[in-house]
Amino acid sequence: EVQLVESGGGLIQPGGSLRLSCAASGLSVSINCMTWVRQAPGKGLEWVSVIYGGGTTYYADSVKGRFTISRDNSKNTLYLEMNTLRVDDTAVYYCARAPYISSPFDFWGQGSLVTVSS
Amino acid sequence: EIVMTQSPVTLSVSPGERATLSCRASQSVGSNLAWYQQKPGQAPRLLIFSASTRATGIPARFSGSGSGTEFTLTISSLQSEDFALYYCLQYNNWPPWTFGQGTKVEIK
Repeated sequence: EVQLVESGGGLIQPGGSLRLSCAASGLSVSINCMTWVRQAPGKGLEWVSVIYGGGTTYYADSVKGRFTISRDNSKNTLYLEMNTLRVDDTAVYYCARAPYISSPFDFWGQGSLVTVSS
Repeated sequence: EIVMTQSPVTLSVSPGERATLSCRASQSVGSNLAWYQQKPGQAPRLLIFSASTRATGIPARFSGSGSGTEFTLTISSLQSEDFALYYCLQYNNWPPWTFGQGTKVEIK
């Protein structure tokens, strides 16, 4: 059974940093396309970042230069390092898997809430 | 960036009735279109991929159609558990992957 479990969210002041983790079981983060999608309170879904099996990464313009996606294959865990956080980064952050390039995101974690506020 | 536009924003339907949701892409996405259902406090759940293929475990009352720029999700006979938010996602031209803004299906 595939499980994705996010952690690391919380309350952080504007300008601060936070690292989200997504522990995977039932699939390997090293060979799958793993992504982060966020959802601001009461809003829709916004794609944030992706890392392919080969290591290629992409970012949404709204987070480029501030967020870094990575993985630890030995821990089978996906990460999202978030720096210079802004109030509008407040959202539930979901990790999800796409089985291959140009496929939809089929398995999702339960989400981790990040609140950026002073 | 491909912009996905869903309509209507809210759809009021009685249980047992048919619901038809639309998703339009600003340029062709071929058949690389997925539909998701999201309930309050839950992660999105994949319903349909490749515009018309049901994901594993999805009931037959959910069906998808369309290609290019116009897509439809039909729920043939709404059950109580189907009242939720629905999003479309294009995965043809990326980055970025882009979602529609969502359609809320509510009880009439």
